[in-house]
Amino acid sequence: KAGVTQTPRYLIKTRGQQVTLSCSPISGHRSVSWYQQTPGQGLQFLFEYFSETQRNKGNFPGRFSGRQFSNSRSEMNVSTLELGDSALYLCASSAASGSLLYFGPGTRLTVT
Amino acid sequence: QKEVEQDPGPLSVPEGAIVSLNCTYSNSAFQYFMWYRQYSRKGPELLMYTYSSGNKEDGRFTAQVDKSSKYISLFIRDSQPSDSATYLCAMSASGAAGNKLTFGGGTRVLVKP
Repeated sequence: KAGVTQTPRYLIKTRGQQVTLSCSPISGHRSVSWYQQTPGQGLQFLFEYFSETQRNKGNFPGRFSGRQFSNSRSEMNVSTLELGDSALYLCASSAASGSLLYFGPGTRLTVT
Repeated sequence: QKEVEQDPGPLSVPEGAIVSLNCTYSNSAFQYFMWYRQYSRKGPELLMYTYSSGNKEDGRFTAQVDKSSKYISLFIRDSQPSDSATYLCAMSASGAAGNKLTFGGGTRVLVKP
């Protein structure tokens, strides 16, 4: 079974721009979660989507948003990028909310 | 103080040695405990999963949870150079918390041939 895929794998953006990251979960998985990983803060939960509904949200500003489509694929968007948004953004899928999480390879975002 | 504390290492051991990793936590609501392995420039890979207190063994890996002490451990027996990676502990509360995991900062492990 194919794993979680994320596109693009690497991205360089300028401060003030916006960015959209994409995630395709494992086939049959209906829950998608997003995490931000930085050297200083480690892995932090952004939000979770299940059946196209946001189920849970972490402590991030409103510039961070996401959505899930009917085929369970998910996107996250970051608007008005700041230098501190440079991070590895990880998508994880699970069969159901609260089930085991399986992570994708991540998208490395660099904001200059 | 962070909810989950993990020694960042690096932890350097010779090949064949036992690697001992641990995390402490402060939130007594945590019931689900996981260990992930992350290689450089890769996403975390689920290694072990434990519910509540007790031990769980899977091949060379043993996970232990002591909820009374708020302390979890991972042991890797007969360590190999391929075990060199960052190991992350993660935990969550009830199923109602969904997929909101709280992670430790990770411990870098280096297994020398």
